[in-house]
Amino acid sequence: AQKITQTQPGMFVQEKEAVTLDCTYDTSDQSYGLFWYKQPSSGEMIFLIYQGSYDEQNATEGRYSLNFQKARKSANLVISASQLGDSAMYFCAMRDLNTGNQFYFGTGTSLTVIP
Amino acid sequence: DTGVSQDPRHKITKRGQNVTFRCDPISEHNRLYWYRQTLGQGPEFLTYFQNEAQLEKSRLLSDRFSAERPKGSFSTLEIQRTEQGDSAMYLCASSPEGSNTGELFFGEGSRLTVL
Repeated sequence: AQKITQTQPGMFVQEKEAVTLDCTYDTSDQSYGLFWYKQPSSGEMIFLIYQGSYDEQNATEGRYSLNFQKARKSANLVISASQLGDSAMYFCAMRDLNTGNQFYFGTGTSLTVIP
Repeated sequence: DTGVSQDPRHKITKRGQNVTFRCDPISEHNRLYWYRQTLGQGPEFLTYFQNEAQLEKSRLLSDRFSAERPKGSFSTLEIQRTEQGDSAMYLCASSPEGSNTGELFFGEGSRLTVL
């Protein structure tokens, strides 16, 4: 079963605007972690932000925030004040903290920032 | 502070040949992961080491694939009798034990093309 679903293959955003990248997940575990990674054309996966399943507040890291809606099993990434350097692939990932060490990744969203 | 390094970055080989990739994790990280990423997909888990012990292997890891981490430092991933379906980016990641979030630190990947 698909653990992570990213339904937006491609997104466009105007420079300096905000953009939301969608992610839904599937797990029966109570303890899990949600992650967002950025993958520029160079190929390296860059960690952006983390949300634990027990965290009551949405995570924020600079211009990145995670809109965590546990009941809906969604973990959307919000990028504020988009910059040209934000153009990249973005992957949502989940790790079941009790059952193991695997990270499950979605298929990604390609973000293009338009000047 | 050096990140995760992978070698070679690119490898082109003919079908049936053997290839080996090397990964040097961040020095204090005792957890090491191999992932495979094909075009348009997110990374897929292959295997996981804690120190020198290989603790998890995906069913994706056929008997033509073998991974080692002999001294708990660098790791190698060997593919024997390569097939065209093995063409992908092979990503290595590391993580320190005891991390609150457990996020993975990725290398830039080794891109394999099988002709």
